[in-house]
Amino acid sequence: TQLLEQSPQFLSIQEGENLTVYCNSSSVFSSLQWYRQEPGEGPVLLVTVVTGGEVKKLKRLTFQFGDARKDSSLHITAAQPGDTGLYLCAGTGGGADGLTFGKGTHLIIQP
Amino acid sequence: NAGVMQNPRHLVRRRGQEARLRCSPMKGHSHVYWYRQLPEEGLKFMVYLQKENIIDESGMPKERFSAEFPKEGPSILRIQQVVRGDSAAYFCASLRGGLGTEAFFGQGTRLTVV
Repeated sequence: TQLLEQSPQFLSIQEGENLTVYCNSSSVFSSLQWYRQEPGEGPVLLVTVVTGGEVKKLKRLTFQFGDARKDSSLHITAAQPGDTGLYLCAGTGGGADGLTFGKGTHLIIQP
Repeated sequence: NAGVMQNPRHLVRRRGQEARLRCSPMKGHSHVYWYRQLPEEGLKFMVYLQKENIIDESGMPKERFSAEFPKEGPSILRIQQVVRGDSAAYFCASLRGGLGTEAFFGQGTRLTVV
């Protein structure tokens, strides 16, 4: 069974700080996706990374896919309270049908 | 996300009743996932369906739970004889299909069993 481990599970930091969250697996994925979920809502897709070593930027968010396509990271620069939410990574491929989700990182940005 | 419709948004059932949760995927999408989420937790996979086929139901309890995605109409997640432990948010995700495609989620149905 393939697993996606996300760390840290919870993170609370002050506005303006930088942070990195991680998504790791022992399986190789054909693509990895990052989602953000706000309370009471469904997850919303942020980005998809496909190529090993790929880096994608979305304003203050930087996503990286590991060279071996087993892991990914999300770096947020100058975090803002609006970044608060549950960040989920999900992989496709890896030997299973469909989409596998990690348990997420709960991020709180305090003003 | 606009386009993936789940209803109802909130559902209250008494213990022993049946709950029916509906999910209409985005136009052109033929793959649907159902997930369950408890407060402060991530998404737990339940079932993966294509039109008229169950691809993977390994995450769904074998008793009381069933899912379908007919040729016409929405996907239905059905929970019979609900118990308090079934209280959770249930999300469906719609995909066009194939590896690397992206999932678009509905807003979820919050089931409360009283």
